[in-house]
Amino acid sequence: SQKIEQNSEALNIQEGKTATLTCNYTNYSPAYLQWYRQDPGRGPVFLLLIRENEKEKRKERLKVTFDTTLKQSLFHITASQPADSATYLCALNSNSGYALNFGKGTSLLVTP
Amino acid sequence: DGGITQSPKYLFRKEGQNVTLSCEQNLNHDAMYWYRQDPGQGLRLIYYSQIVNDFQKGDIAEGYSVSREKKESFPLTVTSAQKNPTAFYLCASSIVSGEGDTQYFGPGTRLTVL
Repeated sequence: SQKIEQNSEALNIQEGKTATLTCNYTNYSPAYLQWYRQDPGRGPVFLLLIRENEKEKRKERLKVTFDTTLKQSLFHITASQPADSATYLCALNSNSGYALNFGKGTSLLVTP
Repeated sequence: DGGITQSPKYLFRKEGQNVTLSCEQNLNHDAMYWYRQDPGQGLRLIYYSQIVNDFQKGDIAEGYSVSREKKESFPLTVTSAQKNPTAFYLCASSIVSGEGDTQYFGPGTRLTVL
């Protein structure tokens, strides 16, 4: 069956460090992968999309890599700030093409 | 302001009652989606619709029903057949290009069955 796995344990890091979150998947051949941020009690907000033919994508302090051989995406936040504390979800396109399947998310806590 | 709205934010229901959650968007998006989120869990797809008067079941459609009579609106009814309806419900919308369509989410409705 198709699975998307993200670290279930919360990630605690110190302000200024780089946070790295992992998304692994099995039984998928995704055309693209997306990352979303979700704050408590709110809807997710889109951050970045990376396509299967792209190795890396950057946006300000965010960087995403996509390794289709390892079936893994890494999400990096450089120079992290307490305001980056949230849950981060990865999502892959489903077999229907435009619907998304989401991972359970990884909670990030950045402490001053 | 362009966006996607859900109402109400909090909803309480007695066991055995049907309840309808509202979702409206003014982004001119063709596709709309309903997800359910339980504590510590990811988003699970309930129903989605690509075009008016057409919709498809997601992974957990049992006990739910939807309609798409207007492009802007995609209400979700939680029926009494849904065995564990207490959850956080999220509506989303997107364009449909088939090339990585990002989804825009509403603020969510938290449903509690008493």
